[in-house]
Amino acid sequence: EVHLVESGGGLVQPGRSLRLSCTASGFTFRDYIMSWFRQAPGKGLEWVGFIRTKAHGGPVEYAASVNGRFTISRDDSKSIAYLQMNSLKSEDTAMYYCARCPAEYCSSDSWGQGALVTVSS
Amino acid sequence: DIVMTQSPDSLAVSLGERATINCRSSQSILFSSNNKNYLAWYQQKPGQPPKLLIYWASTRESGVPDRFSGSGSGTDFTLTISSLQAEDVAVYYCQQYYITPLAFGPGTKVDIK
Repeated sequence: EVHLVESGGGLVQPGRSLRLSCTASGFTFRDYIMSWFRQAPGKGLEWVGFIRTKAHGGPVEYAASVNGRFTISRDDSKSIAYLQMNSLKSEDTAMYYCARCPAEYCSSDSWGQGALVTVSS
Repeated sequence: DIVMTQSPDSLAVSLGERATINCRSSQSILFSSNNKNYLAWYQQKPGQPPKLLIYWASTRESGVPDRFSGSGSGTDFTLTISSLQAEDVAVYYCQQYYITPLAFGPGTKVDIK
């Protein structure tokens, strides 16, 4: 069974950093795009970015709202994807979800339960 | 960037009746080389992550009841719940994956009348 578990969320002050992890199991991690999404309280879904498989290559892609502040990486040997968030702003407050996508396109068939990030002083 | 819109914002349907949600993309998300529409539908219940229902605009994800169906092509798409059940109360989102940035519609809330 496919399982994705986010960790690392919490309360952080504006301007500070936080790193989320997404630990995967139940599938061949290296064969899937790993994507991050977020959902502000009471709001809709927003794509944050994704990292392709090493086999397919290509750049990591980000939403404009986080480009230059957030970095997505992956460790295929550990089946973990990471979301490094720097220079956090209050508007980054959200539930953050990781999800997997097939290698060639990104409709996300499995999602984690999410990690809550609150940016506040 | 592609902008996704949905209508209505919310709807209330009697149990056993049909629910129809519309989604429109600001440009075509039909890829001519494979004739596929890069459109997915998700269901999200309170306190839960989204669940994939439909991809390629009309392909039902494994395990999704056949009362859910997707249709449309190009820029206009529809999600239909043929006979609404109590467990279908949720917010439904469409999403284009034709090009980055990936984009979702604002969501349609479905309730029981």
